[in-house]
Amino acid sequence: DADVTQTPRNRITKTGKRIMLECSQTKGHDRMYWYRQDPGLGLRLIYYSFDVKDINKGEISDGYSVSRQAQAKFSLSLESAIPNQTALYFCATSGEGRATDTQYFGPGTRLTVL
Amino acid sequence: GQQVMQIPQYQHVQEGEDFTTYCNSSTTLSNIQWYKQRPGGHPVFLIQLVKSGEVKKQKRLTFQFGEAKKNSSLHITATQTTDVGTYFCAGIKAAGNKLTFGGGTRVLVKP
Repeated sequence: DADVTQTPRNRITKTGKRIMLECSQTKGHDRMYWYRQDPGLGLRLIYYSFDVKDINKGEISDGYSVSRQAQAKFSLSLESAIPNQTALYFCATSGEGRATDTQYFGPGTRLTVL
Repeated sequence: GQQVMQIPQYQHVQEGEDFTTYCNSSTTLSNIQWYKQRPGGHPVFLIQLVKSGEVKKQKRLTFQFGEAKKNSSLHITATQTTDVGTYFCAGIKAAGNKLTFGGGTRVLVKP
């Protein structure tokens, strides 16, 4: 969905490097999420934000941090990347303010940590 | 914590045949959503079920929410090559505020 964009789309980095993944949305949604996808494990929630001043840990937040710079922007950082953080990362948004809202996903960022 | 399990993890289907994928939660859910991810793509919302025992259809896809609101199923009839992809269920536990995704069922169609 072009309304949710992620940069970069692919990234190869080395162990110990700091890396930032960025997400932008033009849907006007308040709620934004970062997920990690690994084969067979589905989508696991890393962090989520229900508005600009709200940041919450998900089920696998260790080793990650986030920043909600504006309603439209939500960045995920790996302070010191390690190989088991190699995965496909998705940003998502939802907009109606209810837990039952549909989530709209970005195209994903494929991260490889060597 | 809440767990959502999907079976099978992989499903090889002959084109034209039917199949069902199942989603089971360790806790009672307030609702369940289904998403489809095409190969190389991102998850896209298909449908949401809210009521106990609810059944919804989208063309050849039939979605069902269990009476106890702890399980769900997706049944596809007359599978086509366009059905290839990974199907995820995602549930919100009662009084919860975020989705928990299952591991997905990856569907491969043999022509």
